[in-house]
Amino acid sequence: SQTIHQWPATLVQPVGSPLSLECTVEGTSNPNLYWYRQAAGRGLQLLFYSVGIGQISSEVPQNLSASRPQDRQFILSSKKLLLSDSGFYLCAWSGNSGRYEQYFGPGTRLTVT
Amino acid sequence: AQSVAQPEDQVNVAEGNPLTVKCTYSVSGNPYLFWYVQYPNRGLQFLLKYITGDNLVKGSYGFEAEFNKSQTSFHLKKPSALVSDSALYFCAVRDRDQAGTALIFGKGTTLSVSS
Repeated sequence: SQTIHQWPATLVQPVGSPLSLECTVEGTSNPNLYWYRQAAGRGLQLLFYSVGIGQISSEVPQNLSASRPQDRQFILSSKKLLLSDSGFYLCAWSGNSGRYEQYFGPGTRLTVT
Repeated sequence: AQSVAQPEDQVNVAEGNPLTVKCTYSVSGNPYLFWYVQYPNRGLQFLLKYITGDNLVKGSYGFEAEFNKSQTSFHLKKPSALVSDSALYFCAVRDRDQAGTALIFGKGTTLSVSS
């Protein structure tokens, strides 16, 4: 079966510091991968999605970037964090064969101080 | 443009009573529709989907949803609510005729089941 991992689970970082969140998927090949941010326990904002290695689509201009160095690895980064980057970051995957539901990881709670 | 509306921020029901969480959608073509549940500080869990076929879809934990094309709705239902069903519920849509793979999520509805 497929599993999705995210780390770290929680992170407290000062303003201006760099960020690296990692997401990996097991048990599937060539998944579509997604990064979402959830503010205040409510709506989801799609940040990035990727349909293959090195292929990144950005949905919202912001202080963040994403990379996909391997088929099942998706990384969310920032060079300098802002207070507004605080939130709950969720990684998700879906198959690209026609099954369009997405499966989510456990999330990373980021607090920028 | 695609969109999803969940008109209720919160739904309150007593344990054992039926529950309904409402969702309406807007897509230019035919929709794929989904429901997810989220418990505090956890990721979203997939509950069920409508792709094609029977308008009544059954999913995990006794939940079901009915696709109504004329009303562009996809309401989530359960015949008998449990306290453990208390959580945040998201409806999502994708236009099957459009390129791209992103789902559009509603803002979520908090379900509170009292004992």
